[in-house]
Amino acid sequence: EPEVTQTPSHQVTQMGQEVILRCVPISNHLYFYWYRQILGQKVEFLVSFYNNEISEKSEIFDDQFSVERPDGSNFTLKIRSTKLEDSAMYFCASSYLAGRRGFYNEQFFGPGTRLTVL
Amino acid sequence: KQEVTQIPAALSVPEGENLVLNCSFTDSAIYNLQWFRQDPGKGLTSLLLIQSSQREQTSGRLNASLDKSSGRSTLYIAASQPGDSATYLCAVRPRSNFGNEKLTFGTGTRLTIIP
Repeated sequence: EPEVTQTPSHQVTQMGQEVILRCVPISNHLYFYWYRQILGQKVEFLVSFYNNEISEKSEIFDDQFSVERPDGSNFTLKIRSTKLEDSAMYFCASSYLAGRRGFYNEQFFGPGTRLTVL
Repeated sequence: KQEVTQIPAALSVPEGENLVLNCSFTDSAIYNLQWFRQDPGKGLTSLLLIQSSQREQTSGRLNASLDKSSGRSTLYIAASQPGDSATYLCAVRPRSNFGNEKLTFGTGTRLTIIP
């Protein structure tokens, strides 16, 4: 069964360093998302991406964050200068469609990357 | 602003019992609602998706209902098994001109099935 994959599973970095989290969405999906979950808190939306551009972003997704689809399969989240409060589990998700259409807008999540900022 | 609440935060039941998990949301203008399962330190597994026009969805021992007007959904698990132990999250997708792609999550119910 197709699934979303993410690498690495765990990333440890020093405060102020840049990190890139990688995701391979399900191959025929068109919409891609990043969410994060700080330990013990709710899963929070960061950004959605469609047709090679950001379609929606949250207040969390400031200038320190960027997303890119560098090729036909990968979807990346870059944090330019990490802060201690960026420590969280980051989830990538994808869906075939968004908008009003039926069941195809179900979002499927990857296993997550645990980011630890020291 | 949409708020999603799940009560109780934790639930323990003996194996074999049927159980109900609750989810409530403050804004009934939604496209759909998804139920997820999260194992400790792991990702989110989609269990069921209910469109706003539907009343319920079933998958195996799971049945999810949606009462959009009252802002409530329930996840019914029949004949619970130890393998059902996990945190269950509900998430809604808002219906609006903007911001209609993101999911808004509840805090989850941590379910423990006692063998």
